[in-house]
Order: sequence, then C-alpha cells, then structure tokens
Amino acid sequence: DSGVTQTPKHLITATGQRVTLRCSPRSGDLSVYWYQQSLDQGLQFLIQYYNGEERAKGNILERFSAQQFPDLHSELNLSSLELGDSALYFCASSVEGAANEKLFFGSGTQLSVL
Amino acid sequence: GQNIDQPTEMTATEGAIVQINCTYQTSGFNGLFWYQQHAGEAPTFLSYNVLDGLEEKGRFSSFLSRSKGYSYLLLKELQMKDSASYLCAVRSSNYQLIWGAGTKLIIKP
Repeated sequence: DSGVTQTPKHLITATGQRVTLRCSPRSGDLSVYWYQQSLDQGLQFLIQYYNGEERAKGNILERFSAQQFPDLHSELNLSSLELGDSALYFCASSVEGAANEKLFFGSGTQLSVL
Repeated sequence: GQNIDQPTEMTATEGAIVQINCTYQTSGFNGLFWYQQHAGEAPTFLSYNVLDGLEEKGRFSSFLSRSKGYSYLLLKELQMKDSASYLCAVRSSNYQLIWGAGTKLIIKP
C-alpha cells in the first residue's frame, strides 16, 4: 500500500459527460501529480500541484482541469468526454517534488467512455 | 525535443539475468528513476541514480552514464513475479519527470 488513495477505482460513463477523479496523497506529502496511461502506453504527465498551487503542466487538454484543496487532496475533472479519454488515470504524491524524491502512486482510476 | 528510449519488449528465462537499457535526451539532468509496473497496477519505485556508476539493491542493480545519456536496469535470478513493465524516467532541468514508454519483460519457465 503506497498510502495514496484514489477513488473511484472504476468509472464507466458516456461520451459528452463530465467526471471527477479524486486523490488523497500520502500523509505529509505536499506535491500531487496526475498521469494518464492509455492501454499499453507510457505514462503521460498531466499536471502537478504543490501545496495548493499549480507547479507544472504537461499535455493536459483544455477539457481537463484539476485543483488541490487546502487539505491537500486533489481532484481531476474531465469534461466533454470522448472515447479516446478511456484510460487509467494515476495520481502520485511526493513530499516536495525535489529532484531525488520518488513518487508514490495510487492504484489508479480506470475510466471507460462508451 | 526530449525523449527516452527503451526496448518495447524483452523475454528472459526464470533464473537467468536480464539487462534493460534506457537512453535519454533531455533538457538537463537531475537524476534517473526506474519503476516496476505490473499489468493494471500502479508503478512502484525500484531505483534512483544521479551519479555515474552502479547502484545495487538485492537482485536489482541500476547503472548510469551521464556522458552517454544511458542507463540500464539489471535483474538477476529472475523469478516469474518479475514479469512486468519497467519504466525509465529522467528528471529534467525544470525538475519535470520525463517517462519512457516502458519495457515489457516476459519471464518464461
């Protein structure tokens, strides 16, 4: 158990809909990362937050948004969903996001858009 | 651009040794990570290298050559449970992690 909690584990929805994925980082970790992993693909970095502020942005679509709340949990919002958004979405956390810090990953949310 | 190259798939025999290579071209370098990911599961940390040389940790070792932009992960005494994808990731100059697509390792009895 990494200590990172993601909910829900599975999500099935239809095209055009909006969903929210939730992540609680490890206790004490200030930095949260969101990744997308499509079938048999590598991890695609979406966005990183540090202590409530956006720190870095990757290849995140405009239809996607995220935030980190004062209690440090984070939510990833996906809207106007398309079939191609079906993927495994991981949240990861680290203490500060320093160079040598390893990331701890949650077990992911499997999103299926039908 | 920035990129990380790893073989897509490798096959090895139980009990043997396998070396998974990773080459990278990134804007700056602040360390290289190896993660293991079983199918449908979360990646888990294996190793971190920031200086040249070999880091040994049980059956797993990781090597780095910064001048060559090259790393490898060495797995000894392979077990069936080592069947997984192995992800190479580099921390670039802006501290972002650049991920390789991963190497799927298949272990045969």
